[in-house]
Amino acid sequence: DAGVTQSPTHLIKTRGQQVTLRCSPISGHKSVSWYQQVLGQGPQFIFQYYEKEERGRGNFPDRFSARQFPNYSSELNVNALLLGDSALYLCASSLRDPRGLAKNIQYFGAGTRLSVL
Amino acid sequence: DQQVKQNSPSLSVQEGRISILNCDYTNSMFDYFLWYKKYPAEGPTFLISISSIKDKNEDGRFTVFLNKSAKHLSLHIVPSQPGDSAVYFCAASEGTGGGNKLTFGTGTQLKVEL
Repeated sequence: DAGVTQSPTHLIKTRGQQVTLRCSPISGHKSVSWYQQVLGQGPQFIFQYYEKEERGRGNFPDRFSARQFPNYSSELNVNALLLGDSALYLCASSLRDPRGLAKNIQYFGAGTRLSVL
Repeated sequence: DQQVKQNSPSLSVQEGRISILNCDYTNSMFDYFLWYKKYPAEGPTFLISISSIKDKNEDGRFTVFLNKSAKHLSLHIVPSQPGDSAVYFCAASEGTGGGNKLTFGTGTQLKVEL
């Protein structure tokens, strides 16, 4: 079975541009989360979606937005790119409602490496 | 404010010996803890998890210990193998089950030497 797939794998943009990153969850998984990992740090939570509804938002500016589609895939959009947005963007999927009580592990894709020049 | 801390950026261990990776947290609302392993150019891979109602969970060579009173958890790898060389992240979540927002530590680079 395919794991979480992200595209593109690498991206180079210039300051002020906009970027869209894509994620396909593991088949059957309904929840998708986005994380940003800068060099030397752990991943930081950006957004979580379940059944197309936003279920959580991290401490990121409004330049960051996301959505989830009926097939549970997701896009992360970043507007007005800054140099500091250069990072590895990770998508994770999990099977169940994040607010549920059962064990619900998040599985990660390989990420999109974004470089802002 | 770093709510999950991994104070050792790196650890070197000989093959066959025990690797012990440590993690501390400050948020008492965290009730589910996970360890992920990350190789270069790959995403984090889930390794093992533990709920706050337990103090130990084992899976093969990997054991996670949780000390709630000390807000401390550790990952033991026995015996360590060269393929275990990777960055290990500790993560925590509120709510249940690890499906909620994960708060990560900064990672520990483990090197297992022959």
